[in-house]
Amino acid sequence: ILNVEQSPQSLHVQEGDSTNFTCSFPSSNFYALHWYRWETAKSPEALFVMTLNGDEKKKGRISATLNTKEGYSYLYIKGSQPEDSATYLCAFRAGTYKYIFGTGTRLKVLA
Amino acid sequence: NAGVTQTPKFQVLKTGQSMTLQCAQDMNHNSMYWYRQDPGMGLRLIYYSASEGTTDKGEVPNGYNVSRLNKREFSLRLESAAPSQTSVYFCASSETWGGAYEQYFGPGTRLTVT
Repeated sequence: ILNVEQSPQSLHVQEGDSTNFTCSFPSSNFYALHWYRWETAKSPEALFVMTLNGDEKKKGRISATLNTKEGYSYLYIKGSQPEDSATYLCAFRAGTYKYIFGTGTRLKVLA
Repeated sequence: NAGVTQTPKFQVLKTGQSMTLQCAQDMNHNSMYWYRQDPGMGLRLIYYSASEGTTDKGEVPNGYNVSRLNKREFSLRLESAAPSQTSVYFCASSETWGGAYEQYFGPGTRLTVT
């Protein structure tokens, strides 16, 4: 059974803190790893699609790295702001093009 | 561009009733998807349509049917609703099925079956 784990489940940080969370996925049959940002009462919004081992992507203060050999990706947020508060989802795509979503990391940034 | 739209936003059904959830995208995407979101679980794929004219089962297809009406529209039908189908349903689309393309999600339909 293909499983995607995200940790931590939730965290609270102070405004200005940097933070990171993890997405763990099967290291076999890797095709792509997606990160999404999901604000309450809205729909998930794509952040990154990563396909190659060692990939690093950056969008503003948010960046992500990928290690397909060991089956993990890190998402980093530098200098967190209250507007970064959201759930961050990862989705693993297997060689059969099957999407498996994690349950997300819920981030709350306190002003 | 509206992106991905879904109707209705909310629905309450009685057990045994039927309904169709509508989804449309205006991005000229080939692939469309239906997911359900339940507390404590990741988004789970119900059905997908890799391209116009094709549909395939996802992880949790039982109790649902789909129709890819044209390139823009992909509907999800519950023939005989059950309380276990109480969930939030999201439609999504992407450029193609077989590429590392991001998915664009609709706003969701919150369905309660009593």
